[in-house]
Amino acid sequence: EVHLLESGGGLVRSGGSLRLSCAASGFTFTAYAISWVRQAPGKGLEWVSAISGGGESPYYADSVKGRFTISRDNSKNTVYLQMNILRAEDTAIYYCAKDAAQWLVRFYFDYWGQGTLVTVSS
Amino acid sequence: DLQMTQSPSSLSASVGDRVTITCRASQDISNSLAWYQQKPGKVPKLLIYAASTLQSGVPSRFSGSGSGTDFTLTISSLQPEDVASYYCQKYNSAPITFGQGTRLEIK
Repeated sequence: EVHLLESGGGLVRSGGSLRLSCAASGFTFTAYAISWVRQAPGKGLEWVSAISGGGESPYYADSVKGRFTISRDNSKNTVYLQMNILRAEDTAIYYCAKDAAQWLVRFYFDYWGQGTLVTVSS
Repeated sequence: DLQMTQSPSSLSASVGDRVTITCRASQDISNSLAWYQQKPGKVPKLLIYAASTLQSGVPSRFSGSGSGTDFTLTISSLQPEDVASYYCQKYNSAPITFGQGTRLEIK
């Protein structure tokens, strides 16, 4: 069974940093890209970042480019999102999501974690 | 950047009704369009990808159509468990964009 578990969320002051983790199980981890998608309270979905299965290709939304860094440790089946220079508008639930296509980066998602809440106070 | 515009933003329909949600892309995205359902307090669930391909396990009352810039999600006979927000998503290339969502309620 596919399982994605996010951790690392919390309360941080504007300008601060957090590192989110997404621990995966139940599938061949290196074969799939993983994305981070966020949802501000009461709002819609916003794609944040993605990384290919091998970790060689990162992708970012313009809103986080230069502030967030995605990485993965395939020996630990874990994807990370390092978030720096956090702003109030980064407040959201952050979900990690598994790409639906094997060995490709297709950017649509068949499994989602339960999310971790990041709150940035101004 | 490419924009995805969903309509309506909310709708109310009766059990058994046929419900249609539309999504328009500001540029041609071929068939690189997915639909998700998010029930209150739950994580999003993939319903349809490649504009019209039903994800495994999704009830057949859900269907998708369209290509290029105009897409449609249809629920053929609305059920109480379909109360949710629905999002379209384009995925032809990064950056990925979601529509703003459609909140569906039972009348």
